[in-house]
Amino acid sequence: SQTIHQWPATLVQPVGSPLSLECTVEGTSNPNLYWYRQAAGRGLQLLFYSVGIGQISSEVPQNLSASRPQDRQFILSSKKLLLSDSGFYLCAWKKGLSYEQYFGPGTRLTVT
Amino acid sequence: AQSVSQHNHHVILSEAASLELGCNYSYGGTVNLFWYVQYPGQHLQLLLKYFSGDPLVKGIKGFEAEFIKSKFSFNLRKPSVQWSDTAEYFCAVKRDGNNRLAFGKGNQVVVIP
Repeated sequence: SQTIHQWPATLVQPVGSPLSLECTVEGTSNPNLYWYRQAAGRGLQLLFYSVGIGQISSEVPQNLSASRPQDRQFILSSKKLLLSDSGFYLCAWKKGLSYEQYFGPGTRLTVT
Repeated sequence: AQSVSQHNHHVILSEAASLELGCNYSYGGTVNLFWYVQYPGQHLQLLLKYFSGDPLVKGIKGFEAEFIKSKFSFNLRKPSVQWSDTAEYFCAVKRDGNNRLAFGKGNQVVVIP
């Protein structure tokens, strides 16, 4: 069966510090991968998605970036965090032409 | 403009009451529709989905949703809620030929025992 992992589960970082959140998927190959940010009362905002290694599409311009160095690994990064980057970050995957996305447990990021 | 609209962000009701959450979208053409649920401390998970065929779809835990194409709606219902239905519910829409899901802002549902 397929599983999706995210780490860390929680993170507290000062303003201006770098960020690296990791997402990995097991039990499948060549998944589509997604990064979302969830804010209270604002739903899920799609940040990035990837259909293959090295292929990243950005949905919202901001100081975050994403990379996909391996088939089942998706990384969300920032060189300098802003207070507004605080939130709950979710990674999701789906397989090819299937319609459903499966979500990871999320990372709670607090920027102080 | 919000592409997927969910109203009444906070819903509080008693056990055995009926629940209906509205979802409206603004896309034309063929869409796939989803309701996701996030129970406290758990992953976001799929509750039910509509791709084609019967517009009334049944999901897990007694939930159902009806796709009304003319109203661009996909409302979620449950005739009699339980305390364990306390969760946040998200409607999502996938446009045909598009890899991305657009989510609504969610409904925070609290069921009082």
